[in-house]
Formats: sequence, C-alpha cells, structure tokens
Amino acid sequence: DAGVTQSPTHLIKTRGQQVTLRCSPKSGHDTVSWYQQALGQGPQFIFQYYEEEERQRGNFPDRFSGHQFPNYSSELNVNALLLGDSALYLCASSYRSGASYEQYFGPGTRLTVT
Amino acid sequence: GDSVTQMEGPVTLSEEAFLTINCTYTATGYPSLFWYVQYPGEGLQLLLKATKADDKGSNKGFEATYRKETTSFHLEKGSVQVSDSAVYFCALMGSRSQGNLIFGKGTKLSVKP
Repeated sequence: DAGVTQSPTHLIKTRGQQVTLRCSPKSGHDTVSWYQQALGQGPQFIFQYYEEEERQRGNFPDRFSGHQFPNYSSELNVNALLLGDSALYLCASSYRSGASYEQYFGPGTRLTVT
Repeated sequence: GDSVTQMEGPVTLSEEAFLTINCTYTATGYPSLFWYVQYPGEGLQLLLKATKADDKGSNKGFEATYRKETTSFHLEKGSVQVSDSAVYFCALMGSRSQGNLIFGKGTKLSVKP
C-alpha cells in the first residue's frame, strides 16, 4: 500500500512565477491538508480539503489556493511567488479529520524561489 | 491563539542516555497533543499522542504525559539509540479544530555511538 506521495520532489522557480504541487493521499483517505515548513521551523497549516471543498484555512494569503479532485488527490497552487515562499511543502492525508484520525505525511516538495 | 513551545536544539546524547525534550503549549479548552518525528529526507511520522489530561502516550520506548496543570507534554526515552537521531516536533490540535495541527519549531536529536 503506497503512502502519501507528492510531486515533484524538488522545484526551482523565479519570483513572480506560479507553481503547482501535487499530492496523492494514502489509500482509503478522503481528507488532505497542506503545510509549509520553512528551514529550521515547524510545519505551518495552509489549508485542508474534504469532499472537494476547502474546509479550513490557516493564515496564508490568497496567493495560496488549492483543489481536491474526485479521487481525493489534491493540488496546491501558489501565484506571484516571493522569495519567502521557499520552503518544504508537506501534504498530509487522513480518513476524516480530528484528533482520532492520524494524519499521514508525504515526503514533501522542496520549493526554491530565486 | 494556540501555540506550542519546545526546547531549542540541537541535542546531542551518547547511546543509552536518557532523553527529555520539553514541550509546553498554550490553548483554550482541551487540545489533543502529539509528538511527530522527522527522519532525514522523509516526511513526518506520528510517534505518539494523548487526547485528554493525564493520558500517557507511548511508542517505541518513547513516552509523554499530558499535564494540564503545567500545560506540558514532555517527551522521554530511557535509553536512546543511534537510530533515534531525527528531528522531533511537538504539536497540538485544538478542541474546536477540524484537524489542523499546530507545531513547535522542532528539536534535532543526534545520538552518538
């Protein structure tokens, strides 16, 4: 059983460009959350998707948007990239949400903005 | 808002030493508390959790007790191994949350043979 997979592994973009990151959840999971982990910091919650809708959102600007597909996979889009967007982007999946449902994390996508 | 504070690293120990990584939190209500571990080049893995006061989470020799009176959830292990070298994150999920985790900054542990 494959766990959470993310693509690409690494990405280099230029300021002002747009980027799309992809996540496939663990089999049987229907909820996907995205986190941003800056170097030397803990992950910060961006948003969560369930039933193809954004369920909740952290303190991130509208430049960050997402989508969930009928097969539960998800995309994270970031527009007008800033240098400060350089980070490891983690996807986590779970069956439903809440403390009773473990979130499984993918290995992440390392985004570098130059 | 809710937050987590954990001890700064890095922490360097010899094999078989006792490990403590301190974690305190600020939250309204009764959050759930977690410890995650991140090995080099990998995603985060849940190590243990506790969902109510005085609960003790345990896994792979690691333990942490949810202390409401001191708002703490310190991670302990009696005898660390080289394979325990990783970054450890304390996290909470608020009682009114629909599933977002709030993480501390992480503590890097290096265990020398």
